Amino acid sequence: GNSVTQMEGPVTLSEEAFLTINCTYTATGYPSLFWYVQYPGEGLQLLLKATKADDKGSNKGFEATYRKETTSFHLEKGSVQVSDSAVYFCALKTSGDKIIFGKGTRLHILP
Amino acid sequence: GAGVSQSPRYKVAKRGQDVALRCDPISGHVSLFWYQQALGQGPEFLTYFQNEAQLDKSGLPSDRFFAERPEGSVSTLKIQRTQQEDSAVYLCASRKTSGYDEQFFGPGTRLTVL
Repeated sequence: GNSVTQMEGPVTLSEEAFLTINCTYTATGYPSLFWYVQYPGEGLQLLLKATKADDKGSNKGFEATYRKETTSFHLEKGSVQVSDSAVYFCALKTSGDKIIFGKGTRLHILP
Repeated sequence: GAGVSQSPRYKVAKRGQDVALRCDPISGHVSLFWYQQALGQGPEFLTYFQNEAQLDKSGLPSDRFFAERPEGSVSTLKIQRTQQEDSAVYLCASRKTSGYDEQFFGPGTRLTVL
């Protein structure tokens, strides 16, 4: 079946460090891939998405590239800020309507 | 503009009680989704409506769970005879149309069953 696996947290970094959160997926067909973010006390928000192989999604300095050959969609940011502290979810959607989420990775950024 | 709202934000129930969770989607949004998020886990799909029609209820964990959207707007998720394993955050999301539009999530209702 369809599934998403992402690196376990928590991940703790200093401000201005480089961030990578790994995500791999298993899916039939050609899924769309997403990163969602959940800031403390807030609801889930779409951070970025990619709908086909080799697409790069980007938003707020975050990027992720849809790699079909490695079934991956790793999240990266060159210089993190304290305000990036949140829980990040990798997710996929196939031809159906439901979104399948990973377990989430909690990110702590230290000033 | 108003986003997706859910009420109550927190609900404590004794085991065996029935609960009803409400979702107000963004006005005009056709599609509505319910997800269950257990502590430390990602959200898991429960059910999906397009207007008033429930098109997919494959994620409902048992026949104690029931969802409705009678007028194609507000939706209610009802859980009968609650059990401790029902403790979770219940998320509602709405989407403008079908297909690849973004799902917008509400803040969730945290249900604790004692």
